[in-house]
Amino acid sequence: EAQVTQNPRYLITVTGKKLTVTCSQNMNHEYMSWYRQDPGLGLRQIYYSMNVEVTDKGDVPEGYKVSRKEKRNFPLILESPSPNQTSLYFCASSMLGLGSYEQYFGPGTRLTVT
Amino acid sequence: GQNIDQPTEMTATEGAIVQINCTYQTSGFNGLFWYQQHAGEAPTFLSYNVLDGLEEKGRFSSFLSRSKGYSYLLLKELQMKDSASYLCAVPSGTGAGSYQLTFGKGTKLSVIP
Repeated sequence: EAQVTQNPRYLITVTGKKLTVTCSQNMNHEYMSWYRQDPGLGLRQIYYSMNVEVTDKGDVPEGYKVSRKEKRNFPLILESPSPNQTSLYFCASSMLGLGSYEQYFGPGTRLTVT
Repeated sequence: GQNIDQPTEMTATEGAIVQINCTYQTSGFNGLFWYQQHAGEAPTFLSYNVLDGLEEKGRFSSFLSRSKGYSYLLLKELQMKDSASYLCAVPSGTGAGSYQLTFGKGTKLSVIP
């Protein structure tokens, strides 16, 4: 089954404790992206990647890091989480080419930083 | 950059027709997406418009006017399961691919019996 998976689905952590949220897709998509969703603010893009070793900042990259060492994986790293990073996070992937393609979203990771 | 506006909430009756509007301002137009998101779930793709006009897909249709910076999503024969948020999104990349996607804040649709 074609899908995007994220782990963990739920995470409660404390300020300053480094964490990684994994994202994996099995559709051989070149493009992968991370979003956060907050009430009243909607979905906002954190980072995106157009291929292995190619990443770029989205609208809200501060406090986050990403890496793309393999085509299928795109982990999101919070080196020193803070309470304002409490949010619902989505990973997404799509084809990349002429025109635009629909993005397939993972199920989401609900993160709480205390 | 991108600026996208949608109504925050709408209510409609089961079996009726509802139109959800989206206006946008973008520096380089490369199409417009509509996504559906049920509460607590991931967004799922509904439609993509890059040319002016109406595209119909079953009970859902999407319209685009590039000159007016305007799109709408039309839902016919509303069902209770259509209660969800509807997100308008515009890619900022031009040329090949959609590099950076900006979403509107979404319109929460409630379908009542």
